[in-house]
Amino acid sequence: AQRVTQPEKLLSVFKGAPVELKCNYSYSGSPELFWYVQYSRQRLQLLLRHISRESIKGFTADLNKGETSFHLKKPFAQEEDSAMYYCALRFGYNKLIFGAGTRLAVHP
Amino acid sequence: DAGVIQSPRHEVTEMGQEVTLRCKPISGHNSLFWYRQTMMRGLELLIYFNNNVPIDDSGMPEDRFSAKMPNASFSTLKIQPSEPRDSAVYFCASSLGASGSLDEQFFGPGTRLTVL
Repeated sequence: AQRVTQPEKLLSVFKGAPVELKCNYSYSGSPELFWYVQYSRQRLQLLLRHISRESIKGFTADLNKGETSFHLKKPFAQEEDSAMYYCALRFGYNKLIFGAGTRLAVHP
Repeated sequence: DAGVIQSPRHEVTEMGQEVTLRCKPISGHNSLFWYRQTMMRGLELLIYFNNNVPIDDSGMPEDRFSAKMPNASFSTLKIQPSEPRDSAVYFCASSLGASGSLDEQFFGPGTRLTVL
């Protein structure tokens, strides 16, 4: 069965520190993975998708099929990065399953 | 564009009452999704439509839940009768419905439902 696991509920770092939000998935097919973000009082929105291999707001994520992971990384965290981050796996026609989410708190 | 619109934003009702949540997708989007978010289960897909037709309702928890999409600009999620365990935030999302990973889902602000 398809599954997305985000092992950390909360990740607390200081401004300027590196950040890595972990995501592991379970899927027998070819995975399509995404990171969504929800800032305080804002809507859930797409941050990045693995297929685009892009860097958004300094964040990158590499799909590692061997480790079935799609960790989100940023070398220097900013206070405005504080938010809930959700890893998601797409399968079927356009179904998304989400991980439980990780709250990132960046302290000054 | 105001994005995906949901109403009401908050709903408090008593057990046994009927609850109707509403969603207006982004104009031109062909796919519409209903999600439920709870502390225990996280964000779960309940049902999704493509071109107003329900494609997959396997996430609908039980017969008390029903969803309709009478036209391209409106969808409802109904709970009848409601129970306290239905308390959650319900999100609606829409997308162009294109094939491939570039099809992005846009989320509404959510409806926070409390069933007493």
